[in-house]
Amino acid sequence: DIQMTQSPSSLAAAVGDRVTIGCRASQNINNYLSWYQQRPGKAPEVLIYAASSLRSGVPQRFSGTGSGTDFTLTISDLQPEDFATYYCQQSYSGRMVFGGGTKVEIK
Amino acid sequence: EVQLVQSGPEVKKPGESLKISCKGSGYSFINYWIVWVRQMPGKGLEWMGIIYPGDSDTRYSPSFQGQVTISVDKSINTAYLQWNSLKASDSAKYYCARREQQKVHVYYHYYMDVWGEGTTVTVSS
Repeated sequence: DIQMTQSPSSLAAAVGDRVTIGCRASQNINNYLSWYQQRPGKAPEVLIYAASSLRSGVPQRFSGTGSGTDFTLTISDLQPEDFATYYCQQSYSGRMVFGGGTKVEIK
Repeated sequence: EVQLVQSGPEVKKPGESLKISCKGSGYSFINYWIVWVRQMPGKGLEWMGIIYPGDSDTRYSPSFQGQVTISVDKSINTAYLQWNSLKASDSAKYYCARREQQKVHVYYHYYMDVWGEGTTVTVSS
């Protein structure tokens, strides 16, 4: 089974900061990776698919890079509504495993 | 509007059975896979399994195989997640989601684009 490891598990940042979240796959998944945002008490929402494709309607301050085993989600100019938990998910195999999540908190 | 509407919160005792539902609307329900995701209190997302309403083809995560049953009634655009004998450790929020596919260059990529609001299941004696 493919394992997904996110780092860090949490971070504190201020409004306006640039934030970077990492995700590592246990084997090569090419670019079969998505990123989701989950606000407290809400269902997740997809931000990025195919590692770097921004879903329609998602602000351009969100961006994704990476291929193979190492991936990054970057939030430039962090906004108040961006304080949430972020998950990566691989879709290389049928069992679409999630990473453990990264909680972005207010500094 | 494309949406998935899930059944309401449940409080059950250990050993009881339960079936929760997820009703799709605003799109061709039979043409999109439906995924079930577990989120235990204060924890992350776990992919449980997936079903294709068109032919009921179903796949399970090894962690959930034999623990739950995923089914669908395409005549009423509804997917289900059921337990025969609940345990306290089944207490969690359960989400259904639609699996979208998007062609990027020459390959299809999959992600969950529409989510239900979640069903909270509490199992306690």
